Amino acid sequence: AQSVTQLDSQVPVFEEAPVELRCNYSSSVSVYLFWYVQYPNQGLQLLLKYLSGSTLVKGINGFEAEFNKSQTSFHLRKPSVHISDTAEYFCAVVGGGADGLTFGKGTHLIIQP
Amino acid sequence: NAGVTQTPKFRVLKTGQSMTLLCAQDMNHEYMYWYRQDPGMGLRLIHYSVGEGTTAKGEVPDGYNVSRLKKQNFLLGLESAAPSQTSVYFCASSYMRGGEQYFGPGTRLTVT
Repeated sequence: AQSVTQLDSQVPVFEEAPVELRCNYSSSVSVYLFWYVQYPNQGLQLLLKYLSGSTLVKGINGFEAEFNKSQTSFHLRKPSVHISDTAEYFCAVVGGGADGLTFGKGTHLIIQP
Repeated sequence: NAGVTQTPKFRVLKTGQSMTLLCAQDMNHEYMYWYRQDPGMGLRLIHYSVGEGTTAKGEVPDGYNVSRLKKQNFLLGLESAAPSQTSVYFCASSYMRGGEQYFGPGTRLTVT
C-alpha cells in the first residue's frame, strides 16, 4: 500500500520569503505525484504533477517541485510567497495498480505580512 | 463547460436518515471518485468507478454505496447516516488511470 507523509502540518512564513513544503511517499513501484492546493471553502486545484521525464516540475502560481526517487521525496517550493498563497497544500500519489489518489494530511501555509 | 459539479452544497441529516449526493462531469471522463475530507486527515478515497456501470471500493467504503448508471454521473448514497459520516465530500474525475483528477466544490454534510 502507498502512503504519503507531509512532514509539517503548518508552515508560517513571511511575505516575499521563500518556502518549502515537504512530502515523502512510500511505494515500491513507479508512481505519479501531484501537489494540490485548497483555498478556504473551496475544492482542490492542481498545482503541478510529475508523471515522468525531468525531475524538476514547474506549476502554476510560481510553484515548482523536485522529484527525488532515491529519497522518495517530492518537495514543493516557491522562491517568494504572496499573501494570496495562504491555503492548504496536499501532496498525493497514484500508482502500483491503485486507481485513486493517496493524499498526505496536508500542510497549512500561513503567510505573515 | 462546468467541469465537475456536486449537489447539494450543504446538508444536515439526523442519525439514521438516508441521502444521495450527486456528482456530474461534462468532460467525458471515464474515471470518477468520491473522497471524504476530515480535519487533519487529508482526503480519503471512499469509492471509485473506472467506467459506466462499474464501481469499486476505496480506502473507507463502509456505510456508503455508489452507482454509475450514466458516464457523466456518479452517485454516493448513505443508507443510514451516522455522526461519524459528518465530513466534507469531494467528487473528482479523470480521463485516465493516473491522470490529473479534477475536483468538484464539495458537499458539507453534518449528521446530528
